[in-house]
Amino acid sequence: GDSVTQMEGPVTLSEEAFLTINCTYTATGYPSLFWYVQYPGEGLQLLLKATKADDKGSNKGFEATYRKETTSFHLEKGSVQVSDSAVYFCALKGQAGTALIFGKGTTLSVSS
Amino acid sequence: GAVVSQHPSRVICKSGTSVKIECRSLDFQATTMFWYRQFPKKSLMLMATSNEGSKATYEQGVEKDKFLINHASLTLSTLTVTSAHPEDSSFYICSANEASGNTIYFGEGSWLTVV
Repeated sequence: GDSVTQMEGPVTLSEEAFLTINCTYTATGYPSLFWYVQYPGEGLQLLLKATKADDKGSNKGFEATYRKETTSFHLEKGSVQVSDSAVYFCALKGQAGTALIFGKGTTLSVSS
Repeated sequence: GAVVSQHPSRVICKSGTSVKIECRSLDFQATTMFWYRQFPKKSLMLMATSNEGSKATYEQGVEKDKFLINHASLTLSTLTVTSAHPEDSSFYICSANEASGNTIYFGEGSWLTVV
């Protein structure tokens, strides 16, 4: 079945450092790909998404490119802030009407 | 504002009692809603798919008699945790697909604590 694999965390960075969180997927067909963020004690927020190969999703300085050839959707940010500390989930969605499949999440901790 | 609303956001109940969590789509009709469970510092586990007017489809390992799901209208799905035990304490999140099926909205989540 479909699955998502994320790099193990936690990821600990200093403010203004470059961030990469790796995400690869296994799916039949052409899934849509997502990154969600969860701040402590809160629900999920959609960070960005891409619905087809070579699409780049971006939001709040974060970017991820849908790479079909490597089945990847790595999350990047050029300069992280303390406020970016959260858990980041990579997810995919297959056919319309189906549920999201989540990766295990990566905890990011940014210190000043 | 919230497009999918969950209620209650936090609930504490005694062991052996039942508790109901509601998930409402506010601005659209959702023929399909999904219920997830999240353990502390863990990922989201899909529990079941809730289809309006029909029985829910449960994922393997989820007890359908314990986690009752009802989707009586196009804007409301409910999850009832029956005969709750402390190990049912968790964060429960619902999501709903807009009609096209490609736009997904999540509720704010509900913290359940069973004492």
